[in-house]
Amino acid sequence: QIQLVQSGPELKKPGESVKISCKASGYTFTDYAMHWVKQAPGKGLKWMGWINTYTGKPTYADDFKGRFVFSLEASASTANLQISNLKNEDTATYFCARGLKFGYWGQGVMVTVSS
Amino acid sequence: DIVLTQAPLSVSVTPGESASISCRSSKSLLSSKGITSLYWYLQRPGKSPQLLIYQMSNLASGVPDRFSSSGSETDFTLKISKVETEDVGVYYCGHRLEYPYTFGAGTKLELK
Repeated sequence: QIQLVQSGPELKKPGESVKISCKASGYTFTDYAMHWVKQAPGKGLKWMGWINTYTGKPTYADDFKGRFVFSLEASASTANLQISNLKNEDTATYFCARGLKFGYWGQGVMVTVSS
Repeated sequence: DIVLTQAPLSVSVTPGESASISCRSSKSLLSSKGITSLYWYLQRPGKSPQLLIYQMSNLASGVPDRFSSSGSETDFTLKISKVETEDVGVYYCGHRLEYPYTFGAGTKLELK
């Protein structure tokens, strides 16, 4: 069955970096784009951008340009999200979601940024 | 950016009754390919969102046919007939017409 399994929760200090992974299984990884969605505590969903899993080309929403990097380990069917110079407002759950429909979602990774 | 406005923000429904959620777009979601780029998701408490409806009116795989969606180019309605306990959560509409993809603020469905 199709699954997106994300890495575990993270507790970081402001200014640090974090890398989140999203491992896909049950389908051909390069057949579907991978999107990233942010959900701040108690808030709604915010699209961050996506990565073309065939070419590796990332596309970022304006609010996520600069400190955010999407990358792939295609041989491991894994998409990654790296956030550098973490700020308190980066505290959120980060989801990966498959394809344009967002038809499958990872379980989410809670990133807490606190001094 | 396209703004999606959902109403109501919350709804309380008696099990077995129906519920409707509205989503209004600030721009037509009809693409040049003739597809209406409107999606519905349910996020159950403590869970990831799940796809319910794609391209305005198509039921996602495995979703009960108690869920249906219709609309025009800018106004959309998700209808849930015979609400069940498992339908509790927050419903989001979202679009894929252009960057950035955006979501509505969500509608919380509770049971009476």
